[in-house]
Amino acid sequence: GAGVSQSPSNKVTEKGKDVELRCDPISGHTALYWYRQSLGQGLEFLIYFQGNSAPDKSGLPSDRFSAERTGGSVSTLTIQRTQQEDSAVYLCASSLSVGGYEQYFGPGTRLTVT
Amino acid sequence: GENVEQHPSTLSVQEGDSAVIKCTYSDSASNYFPWYKQELGKRPQLIIDIRSNVGEKKDQRIAVTLNKTAKHFSLHITETQPEDSAVYFCAASLNYGGATNKLIFGTGTLLAVQP
Repeated sequence: GAGVSQSPSNKVTEKGKDVELRCDPISGHTALYWYRQSLGQGLEFLIYFQGNSAPDKSGLPSDRFSAERTGGSVSTLTIQRTQQEDSAVYLCASSLSVGGYEQYFGPGTRLTVT
Repeated sequence: GENVEQHPSTLSVQEGDSAVIKCTYSDSASNYFPWYKQELGKRPQLIIDIRSNVGEKKDQRIAVTLNKTAKHFSLHITETQPEDSAVYFCAASLNYGGATNKLIFGTGTLLAVQP
């Protein structure tokens, strides 16, 4: 079946502008995660949605970052007033909530803030 | 919170040799340890994982060992091939009640297999 998809694949924005990144998880996966990968770096956890529970926002680097998940499926990560240090690849992953631990990653959105 | 350290940052081996990548974690409660392979410009893909109730798991040329007492786990690749060249990430997670949870990743190891 279809894997995790993300859009756009690339986004170039000017410093100070807001951006929205979208993630479509695998159908039936109720757990959804956002990670950030800066150039040549590892993956940094941002936020995690698990079913109808309150999201784990412990990884969000500042209050300029927010995310929502509508209808338990699609998720949007919003970055307000973008800064150059926000430039990175933003990866979304999804998994089954129970019994299957594997997280399946999307192709990522490469964000460049000029 | 959990912290994962990974070594080495780069590893170069000759084709056919073995490669070992090591990770340590800080939270003794972590109970799930996956390894991801990421080729240049591609998404990370799970290659093997281990849960804390076992000490070793093997899948063809790939194996992972876990030492809960020392809080470290290792990836072993035998008979390396050029297509094994990629960045490898270890991760740790606390999954309780059978439910999934966020992954805390190591900083990655760039493996280069020389033909």
